[in-house]
Amino acid sequence: EDQVTQSPEALRLQEGESSSLNCSYTVSGLRGLFWYRQDPGKGPEFLFTLYSAGEEKEKERLKATLTKKESFLHITAPKPEDSATYLCAVGGSNYKLTFGKGTLLTVNP
Amino acid sequence: GAVVSQHPSRVICKSGTSVKIECRSLDFQATTMFWYRQFPKKSLMLMATSNEGSKATYEQGVEKDKFLINHASLTLSTLTVTSAHPEDSSFYICSARDTGTGMAGELFFGEGSRLTVL
Repeated sequence: EDQVTQSPEALRLQEGESSSLNCSYTVSGLRGLFWYRQDPGKGPEFLFTLYSAGEEKEKERLKATLTKKESFLHITAPKPEDSATYLCAVGGSNYKLTFGKGTLLTVNP
Repeated sequence: GAVVSQHPSRVICKSGTSVKIECRSLDFQATTMFWYRQFPKKSLMLMATSNEGSKATYEQGVEKDKFLINHASLTLSTLTVTSAHPEDSSFYICSARDTGTGMAGELFFGEGSRLTVL
């Protein structure tokens, strides 16, 4: 059974204070690891897909990295508008995704 | 990016009634759509995979007679919660993959539907 564990559950940062979110996973036949952002009362918004260990992707202040056991979402100099829940998911067969519980990020001005 | 529209965003109903939620892909075709359920501070749980022109595939433990899924066209899937009870109250989210782009696994999510059963 595919499993995804995200840590920490919640993270508070000051504006400009860089940090990383962790996503540990076990999956049979990784087809992709996905990061999403979810604002309260909204559906998830796609951020990144990583397919193989060593792969990195960047978007504005976010950078996602992948190893064989975990992925990190690095946030550089965050702003209050980066506050959201960040979800990690692994893709198995038939594009079924197994999600973690998410990390609630709060960036204070 | 691709847009998935979900309607209604909020619905309140009485116990015993049925509620239909629509999921539309607005600018792409989706042969497959997915329905998730999300509880507060919990992971999104896949309920079923909706396949255009054929029966949906339900995950273990999901009652197919209670959660009816119809995927009548390449841009529309519906989830009907039949004889709703308070324990069915939840946030239901649909997602779709743009078949045309071949971007494996990159799902686009609807905005979600908050169901409250009184």
